[in-house]
Amino acid sequence: AQSVTQPDIHITVSEGASLELRCNYSYGATPYLFWYVQSPGQGLQLLLKYFSGDTLVQGIKGFEAEFKRSQSSFNLRKPSVHWSDAAEYFCAVGGLTGTASKLTFGTGTRLQVTL
Amino acid sequence: DAGITQSPRHKVTETGTPVTLRCHQTENHRYMYWYRQDPGHGLRLIHYSYGVKDTDKGEVSDGYSVSRSKTEDFLLTLESATSSQTSVYFCAISEPSSGGTETQYFGPGTRLLVL
Repeated sequence: AQSVTQPDIHITVSEGASLELRCNYSYGATPYLFWYVQSPGQGLQLLLKYFSGDTLVQGIKGFEAEFKRSQSSFNLRKPSVHWSDAAEYFCAVGGLTGTASKLTFGTGTRLQVTL
Repeated sequence: DAGITQSPRHKVTETGTPVTLRCHQTENHRYMYWYRQDPGHGLRLIHYSYGVKDTDKGEVSDGYSVSRSKTEDFLLTLESATSSQTSVYFCAISEPSSGGTETQYFGPGTRLLVL
């Protein structure tokens, strides 16, 4: 069965500092990986996705993530955090099933940004 | 913007009453999904649809039913609501992406409180 672990429930960083959010997955075949962000009271917005090719993927809002197959990880990074990045971040894994892409989500990491 | 609306956006109901949530999309996407979001659990798939009248169960389908009589509408019904179904419900659609899988986009959510 597929699963996603986000080991950090809550992270606090200072504005301007770098950020890394961890994501580890378990999937029996080639994984497709996603990061979503959710602001309070809002839906989920896609930040970036990895399907194949270059293992370093760029997303919106200056975020990037690196796929490391040997470590079963897909960590999200940003070199300089802005106060508006405060939100909850979800990692998800899915695969090529031939039908609907059933995703499994992690439990999320809540990011707090201090000024 | 994937053109997804959910109605109602907020609902308070009593235990034992039936509740139907509606997801409407404007872009004729084939796949539609219903998730629930609860603290400490991330998002969990309830049901999904891969076409008109074609639906299947997800991870947490007990107590829920769905229907899709038109491409644009996907209904989630709680036949007899229970307090454990208090949650935030998200609809998603997916569209094909390069690489062979689908990327999911989410609606704004429905907050349901069962008293």
